[in-house]
Amino acid sequence: EAGVAQSPRYKIIEKRQSVAFWCNPISGHATLYWYQQILGQGPKLLIQFQNNGVVDDSQLPKDRFSAERLKGVDSTLKIQPAKLEDSAVYLCASSLDLALAYEQYFGPGTRLTVT
Amino acid sequence: AQSVTQLDSQVPVFEEAPVELRCNYSSSVSVYLFWYVQYPNQGLQLLLKYLSGSTLVESINGFEAEFNKSQTSFHLRKPSVHISDTAEYFCAVSKGAAGNKLTFGGGTRVLVKP
Repeated sequence: EAGVAQSPRYKIIEKRQSVAFWCNPISGHATLYWYQQILGQGPKLLIQFQNNGVVDDSQLPKDRFSAERLKGVDSTLKIQPAKLEDSAVYLCASSLDLALAYEQYFGPGTRLTVT
Repeated sequence: AQSVTQLDSQVPVFEEAPVELRCNYSSSVSVYLFWYVQYPNQGLQLLLKYLSGSTLVESINGFEAEFNKSQTSFHLRKPSVHISDTAEYFCAVSKGAAGNKLTFGGGTRVLVKP
């Protein structure tokens, strides 16, 4: 079974530029999560999808971050414009369903550096 | 709201020595508890979980954790570590109901020295 795929693995941009990350969850997983992991901290949930609907985006900075999951499979997370404090690893995870939200499978992450 | 505190940010340990990683949580409701491991340049992997039943849970690679409700703790232990256990370990909590998100602690970096 293929795991959660993410791309790119690394990205360096200047502040005020925009950037997008892509995630392909495990086949058949209905629930998808985006986390932000700042160096030295644990992952923080940004947004959670169930199929193509948003379940929880309470910690997503909506003035600059957006995410979508068209067709309920792949997802993209966008930052526009980026700030220095957005430098972090962005993790995508998926679970079979909301009922199994506690059993998540993580991708390798995208390391973003904003200069 | 729930929160997780991992008391040690780094734990250096010699190979074959025991290790304990401390985790305390706060929540007003019943919880599920987890330990995730993140090896260098890899994603997080579930190491073990407590949902209900026996308060002592074990992983396939020799780690164990014990849920202590009175002390609101879920400490992780291994009696004898290997070099390959060098990684960052995250404790996480979820409300004991479907659909509730994971809240992670800040992580403990374990460095196993030969």
